[in-house]
Amino acid sequence: AQSVTQLGSHVSVSEGALVLLRCNYSSSVPPYLFWYVQYPNQGLQLLLKYTTGATLVKGINGFEAEFKKSETSFHLTKPSAHMSDAAEYFCAVSGYQGAQKLVFGQGTRLTINP
Amino acid sequence: EPEVTQTPSHQVTQMGQEVILRCVPISNHLYFYWYRQILGQKVEFLVSFYNNEISEKSEIFDDQFSVERPDGSNFTLKIRSTKLEDSAMYFCASSEGDRLREKLFFGSGTQLSVL
Repeated sequence: AQSVTQLGSHVSVSEGALVLLRCNYSSSVPPYLFWYVQYPNQGLQLLLKYTTGATLVKGINGFEAEFKKSETSFHLTKPSAHMSDAAEYFCAVSGYQGAQKLVFGQGTRLTINP
Repeated sequence: EPEVTQTPSHQVTQMGQEVILRCVPISNHLYFYWYRQILGQKVEFLVSFYNNEISEKSEIFDDQFSVERPDGSNFTLKIRSTKLEDSAMYFCASSEGDRLREKLFFGSGTQLSVL
């Protein structure tokens, strides 16, 4: 069984500040990990994913995440927040090689203050 | 970038009524999915579909739910007799392949409200 916990349903940062969105997972098999973003009135968009290999994963829009097996974490970071980063962010896990059955966290709403 | 299209964006229905949610996946994709998110809860997997049959479904996807690809472009989710607890945002998704290296594309969702 797999699960995801996102710490903080709402995160607020100032423009230009570091963004840190936390995600911890539980998985009985080697996990595949994902971050998705949802802008208002739009679908879920893949930001980045970890499957195998390098544990620091770079995604779109300057975001990156690091897979830490010892901490069962996959936190999302961005060095400098932009107003356009305001959105809902979802962490997800899967252990399946087959059909893309993702288990999502509850989401974190990111607000950027001017 | 190609898009998955869902219609309608909002649907209101009475309890006990049948509802059909429609999706147009990306044209060269072969794998199709439905997820849902009840307000304040997690996005949950409902079902995956390939080659005109269900490949996997969750416990949520009971006999009240069905999926269909009625033609070469649409992918539908039918709820036969809606319940209040079916109120949720329903997301359709598609991918070219079923491996996790394949990118999963989501639609913008249909907000279903059951009264």
